Amino acid sequence: KNEVEQSPQNLTAQEGEFITINCSYSVGISALHWLQQHPGGGIVSLFMLSSGKKKHGRLIATINIQEKHSSLHITASHPRDSAVYICAVRLHNQFYFGTGTSLTVIP
Amino acid sequence: DAGVIQSPRHEVTEMGQEVTLRCKPISGHNSLFWYRQTMMRGLELLIYFNNNVPIDDSGMPEDRFSAKMPNASFSTLKIQPSEPRDSAVYFCASSKDRFGNTIYFGEGSWLTVV
Repeated sequence: KNEVEQSPQNLTAQEGEFITINCSYSVGISALHWLQQHPGGGIVSLFMLSSGKKKHGRLIATINIQEKHSSLHITASHPRDSAVYICAVRLHNQFYFGTGTSLTVIP
Repeated sequence: DAGVIQSPRHEVTEMGQEVTLRCKPISGHNSLFWYRQTMMRGLELLIYFNNNVPIDDSGMPEDRFSAKMPNASFSTLKIQPSEPRDSAVYFCASSKDRFGNTIYFGEGSWLTVV
């Protein structure tokens, strides 16, 4: 059983659509990270959350500690948002990773 | 700032050979992380250092893997002897704190063992 589950695994959207990627975890956590991996392989850390909500440009991340659930939202999606989005949770020194959500935004 | 620098970017080697991957973290960052990514297992944390000291190496798959951080600006991940199942992308990342709260990744080293 994976400690971190993401859904959906694959997502195709039209440019401009509102996108939601979900992450559920089964362990207690110190923090949750959302990572973005571009087709070329590079990984960028988008958010680190331990509670509430964070916003950066068109990206919004929320976390509900009681429900052990986080969502990553992309507003007004654009083809350059096409990437794999990975949810990772940290409990003290341990990191657990989701398998990623592959997003394709079509012009 | 140059970001996290990894080398080599790509390596193809024969089974049984020694492989050394290198990483230069961002200056001033106290923690350094080595990750491996494969299609089958996704992203896995192998080991991380804080102030040059290995804190958790429980993710290192077996004794063929070793990592060192001789100083604050350099780390190596070594595989000896390499096997085809070691083929993966190896990422190095650094952070100002030991918990990776703001973490920056290198571009990755793409290793193929034939």
